[in-house]
Amino acid sequence: EPEVTQTPSHQVTQMGQEVILRCVPISNHLYFYWYRQILGQKVEFLVSFYNNEISEKSEIFDDQFSVERPDGSNFTLKIRSTKLEDSAMYFCASSYHGTDEKLFFGSGTQLSVL
Amino acid sequence: SQQGEEDPQALSIQEGENATMNCSYKTSINNLQWYRQNSGRGLVHLILIRSNEREKHSGRLRVTLDTSKKSSSLLITASRAADTASYFCAYTGTASKLTFGTGTRLQVTL
Repeated sequence: EPEVTQTPSHQVTQMGQEVILRCVPISNHLYFYWYRQILGQKVEFLVSFYNNEISEKSEIFDDQFSVERPDGSNFTLKIRSTKLEDSAMYFCASSYHGTDEKLFFGSGTQLSVL
Repeated sequence: SQQGEEDPQALSIQEGENATMNCSYKTSINNLQWYRQNSGRGLVHLILIRSNEREKHSGRLRVTLDTSKKSSSLLITASRAADTASYFCAYTGTASKLTFGTGTRLQVTL
């Protein structure tokens, strides 16, 4: 089965630094998502992306966050100035028909902000 | 909050027993999905049930949906140690967002 790939698997950064989390969605998918999960807690929606623009975003997705699809294959999440509370596992997901079908999730990037 | 609630939060059973997890949500939905997560790893889709369906089966999984009560249940029959994981319901009202429940941690012991 095709996979969503995320890099890096672990990222350690200092508070205030910028980080970019990278994702390669499944090649023919049209909808892209970022979620995050603080250790052992709920899976929180951050943002959805379709047709080269944000479809929906949560309250968490403030001005410090941005997403980009710089080419035909990558989908990135940038955090401009990281905070301690940004420490979490970040999951990328993709689908062809949006949430009308299952989402395919990557294995995540564990972000640790020190 | 639009977050779905799941119960129980944790469930411990012996191999061979059935496991039932429940999910309640607060909005109108188009479909409801169940996902599995092993030890903080990626989420794996298990089954999707649409708002006009009441029950669905996939292998050892059985899902029910009651839209009048805004609730769903996932039944895993004849559980195995390999079923040990966290299980999340997730529901959608729009094409843009899937909202996850709080999850049930299932422990299956030999």
